[in-house]
Amino acid sequence: EVQLVESGGGLVQPGGSLRLSCEASGFDFNRWSMNWVRQAPGKGLEWVSYINSNNRTIYYADPVEGRFTISRDNAKNSLYLQMNSLRDEDTAVYYCARDFKEMAIDYWGQGTLVTVSS
Amino acid sequence: EIVLTQSPGTLSLSPGERATLSCRASQSVSSSYLAWYQQKPGQAPRLLIYGVSTRATGIPDRFSGSGSGTDFTLTISRLEPEDFAVYYCQQYGSSFTFGPGTKVDIK
Repeated sequence: EVQLVESGGGLVQPGGSLRLSCEASGFDFNRWSMNWVRQAPGKGLEWVSYINSNNRTIYYADPVEGRFTISRDNAKNSLYLQMNSLRDEDTAVYYCARDFKEMAIDYWGQGTLVTVSS
Repeated sequence: EIVLTQSPGTLSLSPGERATLSCRASQSVSSSYLAWYQQKPGQAPRLLIYGVSTRATGIPDRFSGSGSGTDFTLTISRLEPEDFAVYYCQQYGSSFTFGPGTKVDIK
């Protein structure tokens, strides 16, 4: 069974940093591209970042470009999102999500809440 | 960047009725790269349809997708109580973008 478990969310002040982690199990993690997708409270889904299976292709959404860094450790079956210079508008549930052939997202974690507030 | 618009914003229907949800793109979308998701309160989204019309694993056949170019449709042939939820379309070009969602609620 595919499982994605996020951790690392919490309350942080504007301008602060946070590192999210996602532990994957139930599939060959090193063969799959991955994404982070977020959802602000009461709002829709917003794609954040993509990384391919071997770390060579990375994309970011414009609102986070230059502030967030996606990475992965295939030996640890783990995906990460380093978030710096956080803003109020980054407040959201962040989902770790498996990429399905660059066509869709077929598995999602349960999400971790990041709250940016003073 | 391709922008997706979904209509209606809210669809109020009764169990057993047919639901037709629309997704319109600002530019043509490759038919391989249009998907639909269902999300219930407090839960992660669930993939329903990918490649415009292919049902994901375990999705019942009352869900169907169609369309091409800039206009796409998700149809739920007969609404079951568990189908009342928010539905998002999504496209993949150089990145993923999602529509704003359609809420299907009980009339």
